[in-house]
Amino acid sequence: EDQVTQSPEALRLQEGESSSLNCSYTVSGLRGLFWYRQDPGKGPEFLFTLYSAGEEKEKERLKATLTKKESFLHITAPKPEDSATYLCAVQGGESNTGKLIFGQGTTLQVKP
Amino acid sequence: GAGVSQTPSNKVTEKGKYVELRCDPISGHTALYWYRQSLGQGPEFLIYFQGTGAADDSGLPNDRFFAVRPEGSVSTLKIQRTERGDSAVYLCASSGTGVDTQYFGPGTRLTVL
Repeated sequence: EDQVTQSPEALRLQEGESSSLNCSYTVSGLRGLFWYRQDPGKGPEFLFTLYSAGEEKEKERLKATLTKKESFLHITAPKPEDSATYLCAVQGGESNTGKLIFGQGTTLQVKP
Repeated sequence: GAGVSQTPSNKVTEKGKYVELRCDPISGHTALYWYRQSLGQGPEFLIYFQGTGAADDSGLPNDRFFAVRPEGSVSTLKIQRTERGDSAVYLCASSGTGVDTQYFGPGTRLTVL
């Protein structure tokens, strides 16, 4: 069964204090691993897609990396506006429907 | 429109009532998904449409839940005989194909009293 576990559940950082969020997954034939950002009361906002181990993608202060068992979302010198819940999801190859299996999310709070 | 839209944004109903939730996908997207998100959890898959047909409805919790997409664009999620446990945010997403990036709408918050 495809499964995604994110850690930590919650993370508090001071502005400028870099850190990483973890996403561990088990999936039959990974098609893609997705990172989304979700602000309170809103839908998930797409950040990155990673397809194969060793792949990295960057956007502003965020960098996502992928291994065969986990993905990391690195946040460099975060700002208060980076505060949100970050969701990781996998799309497995056994399912031809493209449905996403999500982790429970990591809620990030960045204090000024 | 530029993104996925969902109506209503909030719906409060009483136990036992029938509700309909609407999703307008991004223009031209053939794949449409419904997910349900409970407080503090990630979204859970409900159903997937490719065009007009439901290609995967394995996530629907029981036969009180049904969804349609009659013209391959707008979709409606229908819940009969609502229960308090149905309270959640219902999210819709669309993608160009079944394996492309999914773009989410703002969700409908359903509260069953």
